[in-house]
Amino acid sequence: DGGITQSPKYLFRKEGQNVTLSCEQNLNHDAMYWYRQDPGQGLRLIYYSQIVNDFQKGDIAEGYSVSREKKESFPLTVTSAQKNPTAFYLCASSILGILQETQYFGPGTRLLVL
Amino acid sequence: ILNVEQSPQSLHVQEGDSTNFTCSFPSSNFYALHWYRWETAKSPEALFVMTLNGDEKKKGRISATLNTKEGYSYLYIKGSQPEDSATYLCAFCMEYGNKLVFGAGTILRVKS
Repeated sequence: DGGITQSPKYLFRKEGQNVTLSCEQNLNHDAMYWYRQDPGQGLRLIYYSQIVNDFQKGDIAEGYSVSREKKESFPLTVTSAQKNPTAFYLCASSILGILQETQYFGPGTRLLVL
Repeated sequence: ILNVEQSPQSLHVQEGDSTNFTCSFPSSNFYALHWYRWETAKSPEALFVMTLNGDEKKKGRISATLNTKEGYSYLYIKGSQPEDSATYLCAFCMEYGNKLVFGAGTILRVKS
């Protein structure tokens, strides 16, 4: 089945620790995205990538980093500089990264701080 | 700052009721409007992408309309079923923009 997988489903972070959220897609899509969801708010864009080895900051990139070494993978690292990391994180992809295109979402990772 | 508003925030209806909710967005420099359905414990899935003023789209019992001049879109569900229970998200993008701006969603609960 084609789709987007995210792991883990739940992730716990200790103070001062960096953690990495995985996102993999087998849809052969060029573009991938990371969003953050907080209660009562719309999804907010953290980073996006339209091509391998290239990515751009979204609205709330501070405290996060990404890489795009392979077309199918777009991991997100939540660094210790992110002071309020507790949230639900969604990864998405689209064919070319054109904004008229449907975005396909993964099931999400919930990050909690210990 | 781009703002996308969805109303109501939540809605409880009986099985068989028809319902509708609203997405409001800036009316200038419109490019596209997306609707997604997000069921609990699942991934958001696309319903519609709308680009033209006056557009109407339909998928089974769900339909949507678009008014870009006044900056709103309506989503209609005819004869709601319990499986329609979900959060419905809309997302707007501007011409020359580089991202979707999402509303906070409308939570629909359909009681049988």
